[in-house]
Amino acid sequence: EVQLLESGGGLVQPGGSLRLSCAASGFTFSGYTMSWVRQAPGKGLEWVSSISGSGGFTYYADSVKGRFTISRDNSKNTLFLQMYTLRAEDTAVYYCAKDHCSSGSCRFDYWGQGTLVTVSS
Amino acid sequence: EIVMTQSPATLSVSPGERATLSCRASQSVSSSLAWYQQKPGQAPRLLIYGASTRATGIPARFSGSGSGTEFTLSISSLQSEDFAVYYCQQYHTWPLTFGGGTKVEIK
Repeated sequence: EVQLLESGGGLVQPGGSLRLSCAASGFTFSGYTMSWVRQAPGKGLEWVSSISGSGGFTYYADSVKGRFTISRDNSKNTLFLQMYTLRAEDTAVYYCAKDHCSSGSCRFDYWGQGTLVTVSS
Repeated sequence: EIVMTQSPATLSVSPGERATLSCRASQSVSSSLAWYQQKPGQAPRLLIYGASTRATGIPARFSGSGSGTEFTLSISSLQSEDFAVYYCQQYHTWPLTFGGGTKVEIK
């Protein structure tokens, strides 16, 4: 059974930093691209960042580029999101999601339950 | 960036009726489109990928169609558990983008 368990969320002041983790199990972690998707309170879904299975390729939304860094430790089946210079508009539930691509079709086929990040003074 | 526009924002439907949700892309995404369902307090769940392929375990009453810039998610006979918010998402081009969502509520 695929499981994704996020941790590391919390309250942080504007300008602060936070590191999110996502512990994965139930699949060959290194074989899949992984992503972070966030959802501000009462709002829709926003893709944040993705990283290839090897970690060699990373992608970011313009809204976080230069402030967030995605990484992974395939030996520990763990995905990370290091967030710097946090702003109030980064307040959201952050979901870890597993990508799956087959026959040219990609999708987020499994999601974690999310971790809440609140940026406020 | 490809902008995904969903309509309507809210759809009021009686149980047992058919629901039709629309998603439009600002430029062609071919068939690189997925649909997700989200209930309050829960993570999104994959329903449809490749515009028309149901994900594992998704009931046959859910169907997707379209290609290019126009897509539709249909729910043939709404069950109580189907009242939720639905999002479309394109994975044709970075950055990946979601639509704003359609809330399906009980009429």
